[in-house]
Amino acid sequence: DIQMTQSPSTLSASVGDRVTITCRASQSVSIWLAWYQQKPGKAPKLLIYKASSLEIWVPSRFSGSGSGTEFTLTISSLQPDDFATYYCQQYNSESRTFGQGTKVEVK
Amino acid sequence: QVQLQESGSGLVKPSQTLSLTCAVSGGSISTGGYAWGWIRQPPGKGLEWIGYISYSGSTYYNPSLKSRVAISVDRSKNYFFLKLSSVTAADTAVYYCAREVITGTTSGMDLWGQGTTVTVSS
Repeated sequence: DIQMTQSPSTLSASVGDRVTITCRASQSVSIWLAWYQQKPGKAPKLLIYKASSLEIWVPSRFSGSGSGTEFTLTISSLQPDDFATYYCQQYNSESRTFGQGTKVEVK
Repeated sequence: QVQLQESGSGLVKPSQTLSLTCAVSGGSISTGGYAWGWIRQPPGKGLEWIGYISYSGSTYYNPSLKSRVAISVDRSKNYFFLKLSSVTAADTAVYYCAREVITGTTSGMDLWGQGTTVTVSS
């Protein structure tokens, strides 16, 4: 199994802050990594696929980078709608795995 | 547009089998390039991938659940199903069905149902 580890688990930030979340894979997943945003009581929503490609609805303040085993999700200027939990997920192997999640909360 | 909707028993007794259905509307489950999967989220915890069935009928499961899981499809009704046997309290979770793009220029789980809560309790 490929294990995915996110850091930090919780991130306290203010509107306008630049926010970076890291996701590490236990072995290379190439660029086959997605990021999801989840708000309380709601299903996750796909934000980024293939490590850096934004879904059509995603604002340009979001960006993804990385390949192999290390990936980052960056929000360039945090907005009120961005407070949520973010998950990375690899789909390099037939068995998909999610990171444990990073909660972005109000500082 | 394509939508997914989960349904099934919200309360299952320990040792019994959990059965859920995901109805696909607005598009065909047989469309090439997609897989149809299940993900769960225990209360207050993160997401766990359960498995998927591809448009060709191939199935892939989480190794930790493989001995208890079966995912199948009814193409005539545009449904797909999850069965999880020998459930325990640890299987209590919100269960989501989702569509995953597995071929083409895009990828990832781009469409999700709203989720259905399943509680395992006697």
